[in-house]
Amino acid sequence: EPEVTQTPSHQVTQMGQEVILRCVPISNHLYFYWYRQILGQKVEFLVSFYNNEISEKSEIFDDQFSVERPDGSNFTLKIRSTKLEDSAMYFCASSERGSSYNEQFFGPGTRLTVL
Amino acid sequence: GQNIDQPTEMTATEGAIVQINCTYQTSGFNGLFWYQQHAGEAPTFLSYNVLDGLEEKGRFSSFLSRSKGYSYLLLKELQMKDSASYLCAATDSNYQLIWGAGTKLIIKP
Repeated sequence: EPEVTQTPSHQVTQMGQEVILRCVPISNHLYFYWYRQILGQKVEFLVSFYNNEISEKSEIFDDQFSVERPDGSNFTLKIRSTKLEDSAMYFCASSERGSSYNEQFFGPGTRLTVL
Repeated sequence: GQNIDQPTEMTATEGAIVQINCTYQTSGFNGLFWYQQHAGEAPTFLSYNVLDGLEEKGRFSSFLSRSKGYSYLLLKELQMKDSASYLCAATDSNYQLIWGAGTKLIIKP
């Protein structure tokens, strides 16, 4: 069964450093998403991406965040200058469509720890 | 504003039935999802409702009332592996998922 994959599974970084989180969505999916979940808290939407551009973003997704689809398979989230409060689980998801029944398939997540 | 409410935690007994409620307020509505999330893992899809009524899928059923902004997830014949968080998420007018905080379900033998 096709699945979303994410690397690395765990990333530890120093405050102020840049990190890139990588995702490979399911191959025939057209819509891609990043979410974060701070330990013990709810899943929070960051950004959705379609047709090589951002379609929606939340207020969390400020100038320190960016997304890219550098090739036909990868989808990346870059955090330019990490802060302590960026420590969270980051989930990538993809869906076939972006409207109505848009079941999103989640990757296993990257646990980001900022020291 | 947009808001999803669901109980923080529930406890049930193995073999029993449990109902997890969710109320939502969103700008526009394009359906409601239930996801299961085991600790430290990604959410996995359980159900989707966009019309009023009950959708049954094996031991799990989900109900929606659009007029009341209300949904529930019903789990029957509970098994220990059902211990997890259950996340209610409503799709708003932009087809963006608005997530509840999740209900942690504890199953006791």
